[in-house]
Amino acid sequence: KNEVEQSPQNLTAQEGEFITINCSYSVGISALHWLQQHPGGGIVSLFMLSSGKKKHGRLIATINIQEKHSSLHITASHPRDSAVYICAVPLGGSQGNLIFGKGTKLSVKP
Amino acid sequence: DAGVIQSPRHEVTEMGQEVTLRCKPISGHNSLFWYRQTMMRGLELLIYFNNNVPIDDSGMPEDRFSAKMPNASFSTLKIQPSEPRDSAVYFCASSLSGGITGELFFGEGSRLTVL
Repeated sequence: KNEVEQSPQNLTAQEGEFITINCSYSVGISALHWLQQHPGGGIVSLFMLSSGKKKHGRLIATINIQEKHSSLHITASHPRDSAVYICAVPLGGSQGNLIFGKGTKLSVKP
Repeated sequence: DAGVIQSPRHEVTEMGQEVTLRCKPISGHNSLFWYRQTMMRGLELLIYFNNNVPIDDSGMPEDRFSAKMPNASFSTLKIQPSEPRDSAVYFCASSLSGGITGELFFGEGSRLTVL
């Protein structure tokens, strides 16, 4: 059983749709990262959160520590949001000591 | 700020050859991480350093892999001898804090192909 599970694995949406990606984890301390990887391969950290909700532009991340669950929402999706979204949980010692989900591949059609 | 700089971006080599990947973290960051990404296994942590000291290398696959951080501005990941199953994208990342805070900044990755 994967210790960090994401759903869905693949997601296709029309431009403008509201998108939700889910992440559940069974290990780790009380924090979680959301990362974005574009087709070119580079990885960007979107959020690191340990409670509640964080918002950056059209992106919103929420976390429920008790339920070990996090969601990433994209409002008014755009083709440039097409990427792989990865959640990761620190195992302790350092925030970079991460165990990763398999990623959700998002494709937003114009 | 130049960000995390990795080199080479692409490397193609033959089985048995030595491979050295390089990383320059963001100036002032005190934690550095090496990750590997493959289609089969996704992203995995190989090793991380805090203040140039290796903290956890349990993710290093075997003795053929070694990593060093001789100073705060440079790290290497070496594979000797390389094997086809080492083909992957290797990412370096750095962060400002080695504790439980600190956003991660990733390099562009080094894509390794071992023939």
